[in-house]
Amino acid sequence: NAGVTQTPKFQVLKTGQSMTLQCAQDMNHNSMYWYRQDPGMGLRLIYYSASEGTTDKGEVPNGYNVSRLNKREFSLRLESAAPSQTSVYFCAEGAGREAFFGQGTRLTVV
Amino acid sequence: QKEVEQNSGPLSVPEGAIASLNCTYSDRGSQSFFWYRQYSGKSPELIMSIYSNGDKEDGRFTAQLNKASQYVSLLIRDSQPSDSATYLCAVNIWGKKGSTLGRLYFGRGTQLTVWP
Repeated sequence: NAGVTQTPKFQVLKTGQSMTLQCAQDMNHNSMYWYRQDPGMGLRLIYYSASEGTTDKGEVPNGYNVSRLNKREFSLRLESAAPSQTSVYFCAEGAGREAFFGQGTRLTVV
Repeated sequence: QKEVEQNSGPLSVPEGAIASLNCTYSDRGSQSFFWYRQYSGKSPELIMSIYSNGDKEDGRFTAQLNKASQYVSLLIRDSQPSDSATYLCAVNIWGKKGSTLGRLYFGRGTQLTVWP
């Protein structure tokens, strides 16, 4: 029972490249979230999904897209990476109140 | 202004002291409040949740909620060096009327150091 699994753990991209961060949960919960964490900024919500088939913007959605493929999986896509997207990305899941986090993906855009 | 604000740190206390962490939020309709602990290089870990006004105690941790003042706090009694971490306040923000599910927003965090 892994909870939330994120892949990859580390990634280096060149400016303009695209990539998809994968997230899967095995808790059978409806809500899933993508956050980014930058020094001194706390966790900022990028997108969230209240249930399969629904997604909504958070605080900082620009430059990102998401897909809630099914109840288990919620992916985050960067279509054209920029250095400002260098960050640690966390996926989380929950039953609608609190959230439980994956181990994070450290992304560097050069 | 962020939806969730935390008192700026860092906070440094001696071992055995009480550490007090504070948080305010903007949405009066919020119903769910959480404290997370995050060790350096690790993911946030839920340590306390509180939904009603008043105090909630769990071991050395006490969460306090005052909805009228839109204020949440976390007290750590008998602080230990192992409590040294960043503490994140999180609030389920409902926003517009008619929303059926809140978004979980976090403050910037307060870094706590407990020295022996």
